[in-house]
Amino acid sequence: ETGVTQTPRHLVMGMTNKKSLKCEQHLGHNAMYWYKQSAKKPLELMFVYNFKEQTENNSVPSRFSPECPNSSHLFLHLHTLQPEDSALYLCASSQVWDGELFFGEGSRLTVL
Amino acid sequence: AQTVTQSQPEMSVQEAETVTLSCTYDTSESDYYLFWYKQPPSRQMILVIRQEAYKQQNATENRFSVNFQKAAKSFSLKISDSQLGDAAMYFCASGGYNNNDMRFGAGTRLTVKP
Repeated sequence: ETGVTQTPRHLVMGMTNKKSLKCEQHLGHNAMYWYKQSAKKPLELMFVYNFKEQTENNSVPSRFSPECPNSSHLFLHLHTLQPEDSALYLCASSQVWDGELFFGEGSRLTVL
Repeated sequence: AQTVTQSQPEMSVQEAETVTLSCTYDTSESDYYLFWYKQPPSRQMILVIRQEAYKQQNATENRFSVNFQKAAKSFSLKISDSQLGDAAMYFCASGGYNNNDMRFGAGTRLTVKP
């Protein structure tokens, strides 16, 4: 098992669909993150969960809804997205007290 | 909030030569981390090297080293004896000990020519 696993790797959805991205970490970490990666732009921090509690919501639109049921799993629920939401969504984990992030391979999202 | 700037969208280096990637950052934190991450094509991002800001000595990891200039808020990455496998996007990142504020630059695409 790789350290951080994301599914699905690719997702195409219409603007009216509802879908979810899943992330699972096998590293015993207590913090999990969602980042958005768009071409030629810095990674955008979306959400941070520490010990299953959301500690950061970086002004993300409500059409993105995170869920962290336990310290090993993180979801990003998607609904009524816009074409500009098309991007690579990266999940990462870490220990809360250590800055090093461990990333998954990402979920490539295309909104039609 | 922290900001990270990478002024070189693309860089190219000949195999076995040395290349330096630039990064500047801005932070209000007194203690913080600095990182370089590597993202190969269609593969996950991995850590290349890290530096704790309170340490004066520049970090090194085999062929990778940094030039950390705290007063100038500069954190460049030097890759020596470049290899074809070094071709990737390289991201500079900065974060305080509060893990809610890890910020990344826009990245530098490194090409290694055989």
